[in-house]
Amino acid sequence: EIVLTQSPGTLSLSPGEGATLSCRASQSVSSSYIAWYQQKPGQAPRLLMYSASSRATGIPDRFSGSGAGTYFTLTISRLEPEDFAVYYCQLHRNLPTFGQGTKLAIK
Amino acid sequence: EVQLLESGGGLAQPGGSLRLSCTASGFTFSSHAISWVRQAPGKGLEWVSGISGSGSDTYDADSVKGRFTISRDNSKNTLYLQMNSLRAEDTALYYCARSRCSNGICELDYWGQGTLVTVSS
Repeated sequence: EIVLTQSPGTLSLSPGEGATLSCRASQSVSSSYIAWYQQKPGQAPRLLMYSASSRATGIPDRFSGSGAGTYFTLTISRLEPEDFAVYYCQLHRNLPTFGQGTKLAIK
Repeated sequence: EVQLLESGGGLAQPGGSLRLSCTASGFTFSSHAISWVRQAPGKGLEWVSGISGSGSDTYDADSVKGRFTISRDNSKNTLYLQMNSLRAEDTALYYCARSRCSNGICELDYWGQGTLVTVSS
């Protein structure tokens, strides 16, 4: 079973700053199987990225994803107030699994 | 507009059963695999079960295998989750979510708002 580990657990930043969230897999995986989600309090998750670097429909271009092998990142340039949320990475090879999440908090 | 609406949650006793439903609209239901994903209070996301668009293939997490059964009725645009032998650790908000693909389980591009399952005596 492949485990996804996200870091940091909490990231405190100010609007306008950039953010980099990481997701490490316990084994090498194809980037085709990596997705990222955003979840705000009281809301369902929203798909942000698929295949590691492709933005989902309607996602602004300040969100970008990259990575290969065991290390993947979600980058948010110029944080907007609505970006402060919890972010999850997901591996959907065979049975899907999620990382434990990174909380992006306002500093 | 794609919509997913879950129902059937509630309070169940340990060892009891519940049946969740997810009614879909706004897309060709049979063209997409669908999953159940749960979130315990204050915790992260846990994928539970998935089913291919045709219904011929199902997938279950080890934590629910043998206790939960996923199924779908494409004529009714409805997904189901039969939950038996419920445990306290099954307490969670259960989401249904659409896969971008028809076979297997891939990224989940639309989610319902969830239905709450509480397992307690």
